[in-house]
Amino acid sequence: GIQVEQSPPDLILQEGANSTLRCNFSDSVNNLQWFHQNPWGQLINLFYIPSGTKQNGRLSATTVATERYSLLYISSSQTTDSGVYFCAPRDYKLSFGAGTTVTVRA
Amino acid sequence: NAGVTQTPKFQVLKTGQSMTLQCAQDMNHEYMSWYRQDPGMGLRLIHYSVGAGITDQGEVPNGYNVSRSTTEDFPLRLLSAAPSQTSVYFCASSWTSGTSTDTQYFGPGTRLTVL
Repeated sequence: GIQVEQSPPDLILQEGANSTLRCNFSDSVNNLQWFHQNPWGQLINLFYIPSGTKQNGRLSATTVATERYSLLYISSSQTTDSGVYFCAPRDYKLSFGAGTTVTVRA
Repeated sequence: NAGVTQTPKFQVLKTGQSMTLQCAQDMNHEYMSWYRQDPGMGLRLIHYSVGAGITDQGEVPNGYNVSRSTTEDFPLRLLSAAPSQTSVYFCASSWTSGTSTDTQYFGPGTRLTVL
């Protein structure tokens, strides 16, 4: 299966700060999603982004499929951004790494 | 649309008991799957289905059975619960499978504890 490595494993931010999360994956894929798992455990779709760049409010993501990585940008972070962020490239299944745990402090 | 629903939300079992976790979706998705999430880890695939009557094993299928008699429902059965099956279980669905270009949607999860 596809191996996924996310960095950093933990991130502590002051409210209003910007940050970049990175996802490296081992094989070529044409399907990749980013998820946010909130403190209540719910998995929320952030982006479907097999390649290129997308933006949604304060979040944006870029995938460079040829170099097998994806980046998630959080700008002007808020306490509601806290939780675990997973990237998940997909062949017949989503392959999850261990995620990046983000804590945003007021 | 309700999206992907799962019941129950919480369950406590004793070792050796059996139970069924329910999953339903109302989006007419062909592809459905079950994942488990252990503390501090990402999700791992248990079983998946590419359509009614078709199921296959994922990464960690031992101790679990599935069936897919309708497009809407994809129940997960624990045959004889073990403490190693203590986990949070997520059901997901999407239009298609494999290298297709669509988004998977997840249910709210079932938190299972086996004593």
